[in-house]
Amino acid sequence: DQQVKQNSPSLSVQEGRISILNCDYTNSMFDYFLWYKKYPAEGPTFLISISSIKDKNEDGRFTVFLNKSAKHLSLHIVPSQPGDSAVYFCAASGGGGGADGLTFGKGTHLIIQP
Amino acid sequence: EAGVAQSPRYKIIEKRQSVAFWCNPISGHATLYWYQQILGQGPKLLIQFQNNGVVDDSQLPKDRFSAERLKGVDSTLKIQPAKLEDSAVYLCASSVRGNEQFFGPGTRLTVL
Repeated sequence: DQQVKQNSPSLSVQEGRISILNCDYTNSMFDYFLWYKKYPAEGPTFLISISSIKDKNEDGRFTVFLNKSAKHLSLHIVPSQPGDSAVYFCAASGGGGGADGLTFGKGTHLIIQP
Repeated sequence: EAGVAQSPRYKIIEKRQSVAFWCNPISGHATLYWYQQILGQGPKLLIQFQNNGVVDDSQLPKDRFSAERLKGVDSTLKIQPAKLEDSAVYLCASSVRGNEQFFGPGTRLTVL
């Protein structure tokens, strides 16, 4: 049973346009959400996060939106650049008790076309 | 600041053999995690340490996998005996605040 779902395995966007990556979750105990970016043969690198008490967090070209009632979050990248081509993972944590390991989605491969 | 170090980067073994992976977290990071990433999937948590104590090992297949973190710094993950389905990338991560985790480059294991 997948608790974090990324339903688009891949996404192709033109350079300079907006990239929107989506993520859905089922576990209402999740209270912290993160996006990671991964290049081949490297570990995931942290991009941006959002707490469940917020609905938006912005960092430069990256904005994450959280809709708790829909159990949905999205990552917006504006403008998209060639270096943004990578696999993006949505992740969540929560439940308390000190256990804060992340639950990941399967990832979305973003391809930025020139 | 040095990142999370892992070794080896690649390992090929035959099924039923044993293998061990090593991780050195970022200095000062009390929390250390091991994840397994099978091809086409997202990373899956195997075990979480806080200093040298286990916080969560609910998804660790304990009949064949073991992990330890002596002295609350370096950690090793062992598989004994390995199965074909253990072929994956094994990622180590560390954190100081808990939520933002920093990942190492991973060890790619191939079991033949």
